[in-house]
Parts: sequence; C-alpha cells; structure tokens
Amino acid sequence: EPEVTQTPSHQVTQMGQEVILRCVPISNHLYFYWYRQILGQKVEFLVSFYNNEISEKSEIFDDQFSVERPDGSNFTLKIRSTKLEDSAMYFCASSPLGQKNTGELFFGEGSRLTVL
Amino acid sequence: GNSVTQMEGPVTLSEEAFLTINCTYTATGYPSLFWYVQYPGEGLQLLLKATKADDKGSNKGFEATYRKETTSFHLEKGSVQVSDSAVYFCALRGASNTGGFKTIFGAGTRLFVKA
Repeated sequence: EPEVTQTPSHQVTQMGQEVILRCVPISNHLYFYWYRQILGQKVEFLVSFYNNEISEKSEIFDDQFSVERPDGSNFTLKIRSTKLEDSAMYFCASSPLGQKNTGELFFGEGSRLTVL
Repeated sequence: GNSVTQMEGPVTLSEEAFLTINCTYTATGYPSLFWYVQYPGEGLQLLLKATKADDKGSNKGFEATYRKETTSFHLEKGSVQVSDSAVYFCALRGASNTGGFKTIFGAGTRLFVKA
C-alpha cells in the first residue's frame, strides 16, 4: 500500500541552525501539507502546497519557514534559525486531486525535531 | 475562522465499555468532518468521515453523525477493545474562502482501554 515517507525520523539541532525535513508523498497525489505537533498538544496546520506554490499557510508559517518541491518526488520543509519552541513532531501529508480527493489526508510517521 | 473543540482526555475505559468522545465545530460554509486516530509512534490515519449534514461515517465499529443543527460530530463505539487505545482527533476541512480549505484538528483525546 502506498505511503508517505518522512526523513529523518528524529533530528537534534542547536538553536540557530537550519534544518530541512524531507517528505516523499504518495506518487499520484498532488496536494501536500505540513503540520506540526508540539509534545502533548494539538496538531497544527502549517502550510498546503499545490501546483508548485503555497495554497494556504497559517500564522505560524512565517519567514522562518519555507517549502519546496525540488524534484518530482520530494517535498521539503526548511526551518531557518531554529528556536527552542520549534521542537515538535512535524508531519507531512498528501492528498489526491479531483474526484479521488475525498478530503482525506494521508500522513507520514513524522519527523521529530529537537532544538537544544 | 474555523475551529474544532473536542473533549479533553485522557479517557480510561474497561474493555467492552461504551465510548463517546464529543466534538463540536465552528465553520463557515459546509465543511467536511473527520475522525483521525494516532497509535503510539505512528502518524495520523483516517478513521471515518462525513461530508454533509446527517451523514454517518463508520469504520471498525466506530461511528459519528454529522449534526449541523448542533454543529457536532461525536465519536461512538459500542464496545471498546484494548487495541483501540490511541489518541483520537476530530478534524474539519474548510469549505469557504472565508474559513479556508485546509484541514484543522482538535486537541486530541487520549483513550486508554484496560483489559
């Protein structure tokens, strides 16, 4: 069964460093998303991406964050100048286009980011 | 904007007990509603959905009915099992330019089922 894969599963970084979280969405999906879940708290929407551009973004998704689809398979989230409060689990999700899009999101297992 | 509110946990039940997890929402337009489940160490996966008023979503013995008059989508299961222990998230996919089209989640409710 096709699945969304994320790397790394866990990354530890120093405050102020840049991190890139990578995702490989399901191959025939065309909508891509990033969410984050701070430990024990709610799952928060960051950004949605379609047709090589951002569709929607939250207030959290400021200039510190960027997304990119550098090739036909990867979807990345870059966090510049990381802060302690960026420590969270980051989930990538994807969904198909058109009639196959029932609104369901297909999630990866997440990348845990720890900022020290 | 759109929002989802669900009951706080944790909820602890004995096996075969009846489960209800309450969820209410605020949205413009006619959103789609979902329940997702997150097992330990895993990502979220869809449990069930309903796309219009009075629809009932069901899966694995769980069910929820889209109630527009009460803006609710409560999750129920008649007889829980130990394997149902997980975190359950109520979610809403927006359907208007005002509220947006993104999916937003409630805070999650952790369920523990004892044997």
